[in-house]
Amino acid sequence: GIQVEQSPPDLILQEGANSTLRCNFSDSVNNLQWFHQNPWGQLINLFYIPSGTKQNGRLSATTVATERYSLLYISSSQTTDSGVYFCAVEGRGTSGSRLTFGEGTQLTVNP
Amino acid sequence: SQTIHQWPATLVQPVGSPLSLECTVEGTSNPNLYWYRQAAGRGLQLLFYSVGIGQISSEVPQNLSASRPQDRQFILSSKKLLLSDSGFYLCAWRGAGGILEQFFGPGTRLTVL
Repeated sequence: GIQVEQSPPDLILQEGANSTLRCNFSDSVNNLQWFHQNPWGQLINLFYIPSGTKQNGRLSATTVATERYSLLYISSSQTTDSGVYFCAVEGRGTSGSRLTFGEGTQLTVNP
Repeated sequence: SQTIHQWPATLVQPVGSPLSLECTVEGTSNPNLYWYRQAAGRGLQLLFYSVGIGQISSEVPQNLSASRPQDRQFILSSKKLLLSDSGFYLCAWRGAGGILEQFFGPGTRLTVL
């Protein structure tokens, strides 16, 4: 099956700093999503981005499907950005449209 | 708008006891439904998915089973829980047709003692 690798596994920032999270995947995808898991465990949808670039406030994401990677940018980070960020993909030809998750990036933003 | 519910939110069960976790979706018809588990650490593992009533696909052989008795209801069950069944269980849905984005419920935290 498709493989998903996220980097870095852990990231510690001071409030106000910018960061880039990376997601590499091993095959062509129909779907790529970025999630933020909050301290209560809820997975919050950040972006649905199988290709191209999107922006939502301080967050933006870019997927270069031909090179099999996606980047999540967080600007002017805030303490509420802390948590785990997941990339998840659906490989082409995957039955049932199921997602394969990376292991996540644990982000800690200190005041 | 669509919403997804899971209950219970937390559960503590003894080894060998049965399990039933429920997930329901509102505001959509004929969704794809999914059960994922997040064990200690960070990765999420797909357990089951369903593309319609009575249609269940299992991703990982294990002590659990799933059923879809109604269009927007997905149930995760076990006859006898193991210690290794502890974890955070998340239900997700995706709309029918060309919309591929998945949305997750709030999860059930299960501890087996």
